[in-house]
Amino acid sequence: DQQVKQNSPSLSVQEGRISILNCDYTNSMFDYFLWYKKYPAEGPTFLISISSIKDKNEDGRFTVFLNKSAKHLSLHIVPSQPGDSAVYFCAASSFTSGTYKYIFGTGTRLKVLA
Amino acid sequence: DVKVTQSSRYLVKRTGEKVFLECVQDMDHENMFWYRQDPGLGLRLIYFSYDVKMKEKGDIPEGYSVSREKKERFSLILESASTNQTSMYLCASSLPRLDYGYTFGSGTRLTVV
Repeated sequence: DQQVKQNSPSLSVQEGRISILNCDYTNSMFDYFLWYKKYPAEGPTFLISISSIKDKNEDGRFTVFLNKSAKHLSLHIVPSQPGDSAVYFCAASSFTSGTYKYIFGTGTRLKVLA
Repeated sequence: DVKVTQSSRYLVKRTGEKVFLECVQDMDHENMFWYRQDPGLGLRLIYFSYDVKMKEKGDIPEGYSVSREKKERFSLILESASTNQTSMYLCASSLPRLDYGYTFGSGTRLTVV
């Protein structure tokens, strides 16, 4: 049972345009969410987070939106750059579980075309 | 520069061999994790540990065990390697805080032949 889903395995976007990566979750107990970026042959690196008390968090070109009622979050990258080409994973966790472990989605491969 | 170090980037082992994957972190993190990454399946949690000598099963622990004798080191053991354990293995560490996220190592690409 996949609790965190990224239904688009890949996405191509022109340089300078907006990239929107989507993530859905099924467990209503999830209350903390992360986005990671992963280049080939490297470990994932942390991008941005959001807790369930917020519906938006911004960090430079990256913005994460959370819609709790729809159990959906999205990552917006504006403007997209060729160096953003990577696999993006969303991850979710529950503070009340007390485990500090994250459940990861299957990833979306973003390709930014120059 | 703080980091998580995985001992091998690439490893080729034979079916039936006992395989040790080592992970060391220098951030004094309490939590450590082992994930495997497979195409179309994302990152799946194998085992994690909150403290020395403590371990918890993740979502796919079958065929694996772990050891944490020191705070900075978390080892993943494949008791008898099989071809379906060919994968990218990622170690991570974190503080006991959700907002902190994980710091990942660079990964070990294991091929079992």
